[in-house]
Amino acid sequence: AQRVTQPEKLLSVFKGAPVELKCNYSYSGSPELFWYVQYSRQRLQLLLRHISRESIKGFTADLNKGETSFHLKKPFAQEEDSAMYYCALNKSGGATNKLIFGTGTLLAVQP
Amino acid sequence: DGGITQSPKYLFRKEGQNVTLSCEQNLNHDAMYWYRQDPGQGLRLIYYSQIVNDFQKGDIAEGYSVSREKKESFPLTVTSAQKNPTAFYLCASSASRTGATGELFFGEGSRLTVL
Repeated sequence: AQRVTQPEKLLSVFKGAPVELKCNYSYSGSPELFWYVQYSRQRLQLLLRHISRESIKGFTADLNKGETSFHLKKPFAQEEDSAMYYCALNKSGGATNKLIFGTGTLLAVQP
Repeated sequence: DGGITQSPKYLFRKEGQNVTLSCEQNLNHDAMYWYRQDPGQGLRLIYYSQIVNDFQKGDIAEGYSVSREKKESFPLTVTSAQKNPTAFYLCASSASRTGATGELFFGEGSRLTVL
């Protein structure tokens, strides 16, 4: 069965510290993975996708097929990074965006 | 202001009553989705529609119904058959019905409380 696991409900770090939000997935095919973010009082929005191999707001995520992981990383956390982060999986080659979301991790960056 | 509009933001209903949540988009997107968000469970897909007059069940469709009579609108009805309807409901849309990009655009959500 397809599944996305985010083991941490809450991650608290100090400003300037490195951040790693964990995401593991189970999927027999070739997955497409995404990170979505929801800032306080804002809508859930796409942060980055593994296909693009991009860095958004200093965040990067590398797909590791051997470990079935897609962890989100940032070398130096900022207070404005505090938000709810969701990892999501989509079937590669699918005809629609039928995303499966993890349970989310709340990142709290302390001053 | 373009985007997804959900209404109402907050809704209270008595047990046994049907409730309809509105979702409208002016992004000219083909596909629309309804997710349910519960604490500790993330987002779960209720129904989705790739094109007008067509929709498919998601992972937790029991007790819900939808319609897609217009491209811009995808209302969700929470029926009395839904055993645990109190939740936060999110509507989303995406641009392409052929070729998935993974980018969903979300509304602000509707919080339903059944008393």
